[in-house]
Amino acid sequence: DGGITQSPKYLFRKEGQNVTLSCEQNLNHDAMYWYRQDPGQGLRLIYYSQIVNDFQKGDIAEGYSVSREKKESFPLTVTSAQKNPTAFYLCASSPKRGGTSEQYFGPGTRLTVT
Amino acid sequence: QKEVEQDPGPLSVPEGAIVSLNCTYSNSAFQYFMWYRQYSRKGPELLMYTYSSGNKEDGRFTAQVDKSSKYISLFIRDSQPSDSATYLCAMTEEYGNKLVFGAGTILRVKS
Repeated sequence: DGGITQSPKYLFRKEGQNVTLSCEQNLNHDAMYWYRQDPGQGLRLIYYSQIVNDFQKGDIAEGYSVSREKKESFPLTVTSAQKNPTAFYLCASSPKRGGTSEQYFGPGTRLTVT
Repeated sequence: QKEVEQDPGPLSVPEGAIVSLNCTYSNSAFQYFMWYRQYSRKGPELLMYTYSSGNKEDGRFTAQVDKSSKYISLFIRDSQPSDSATYLCAMTEEYGNKLVFGAGTILRVKS
């Protein structure tokens, strides 16, 4: 089965703790993306990577970090510096580098920080 | 002003109705346009992907792009209760690195 997997589906953390969200794809896509979705708002881009060992900040990168050591994996760390981390996090991938290719999404991880 | 505007709804229609969902945008450089469907607590699913102006049809779905008006539409024919979801438009420039999303329109199809 080809696709994008995100784990876990639900995640709960205490304030002040870092947490890492997993994203794996077996579609052989070059580019991968992390978005955050809040109620009533569109998707906001956190980080993206078009090639292994390279990534760029999106519109709301503060308080987040990523790595891209393997083509199929793009984990996101939500650090304690992120002021409002509770949200629905979505990972996406696209077959070509650059945004002109369509993006495919994983099922998402709902993070709750108390 | 947001770069992409989309009426949040909710839009409620009876089963079998024709649904029209729309987005307006301000960036004339946008060339690629997409529509996604998102069920509650799930990831968005790509429905339609079009380039520049014109129409594209896929089953009950038709995507329309009017670049002169900076306006895109998604039409759903013979709407079903299973079409109830949030519909997101997204777009990008010719050599853009990222998609810009609308906030989404909630659609409810009543049986």
